[in-house]
Amino acid sequence: DSGVTQTPKHLITATGQRVTLRCSPRSGDLSVYWYQQSLDQGLQFLIQYYNGEERAKGNILERFSAQQFPDLHSELNLSSLELGDSALYFCASSVGEAGELFFGEGSRLTVL
Amino acid sequence: AQSVTQPDIHITVSEGASLELRCNYSYGATPYLFWYVQSPGQGLQLLLKYFSGDTLVQGIKGFEAEFKRSQSSFNLRKPSVHWSDAAEYFCAGGYQKVTFGTGTKLQVIP
Repeated sequence: DSGVTQTPKHLITATGQRVTLRCSPRSGDLSVYWYQQSLDQGLQFLIQYYNGEERAKGNILERFSAQQFPDLHSELNLSSLELGDSALYFCASSVGEAGELFFGEGSRLTVL
Repeated sequence: AQSVTQPDIHITVSEGASLELRCNYSYGATPYLFWYVQSPGQGLQLLLKYFSGDTLVQGIKGFEAEFKRSQSSFNLRKPSVHWSDAAEYFCAGGYQKVTFGTGTKLQVIP
């Protein structure tokens, strides 16, 4: 158990819909990272927040947004969903702005 | 572009044999480098990390990796593989934006 909690574990929805994925970092960790894992794209970095502020951004689609709240939990919002958004979404956390990442078990999103 | 490359998609080794998984990095300066392992349906677990200093780093589960600047490599090794080591292994690198290689699936045969 890494200490990073992600909910929901599984989510099935339809194209065009919007979903929110939630992540609680390990106690004491200030950074939260979001990754997308799919068979064709591998593990793709989406975005990083540190103590509530965006710190680094990857190839995150405009339909996707994230934020980190004052209690340090984070949410990833995915809107206007397409079939290709079906993937495993991982959250990770670290103590500082960089360093070793501790991963949650992921949220598996299926878009039908 | 800053990245890590894992040239082997799939590797099969016999139980008890030694293992080496390859990773090459492309960064301007020495990046933070990591090896993670992912079992089916699981998240990623950190095996070891290199930030600076001693170029041979020890990790969990008997794994080690050696940072070689001259070869831009950070290969993962284990002297004797166990059946429970079968999983997918990811090399990763970077500072805040940690990018992952495409992974190497390890199969262990009796």
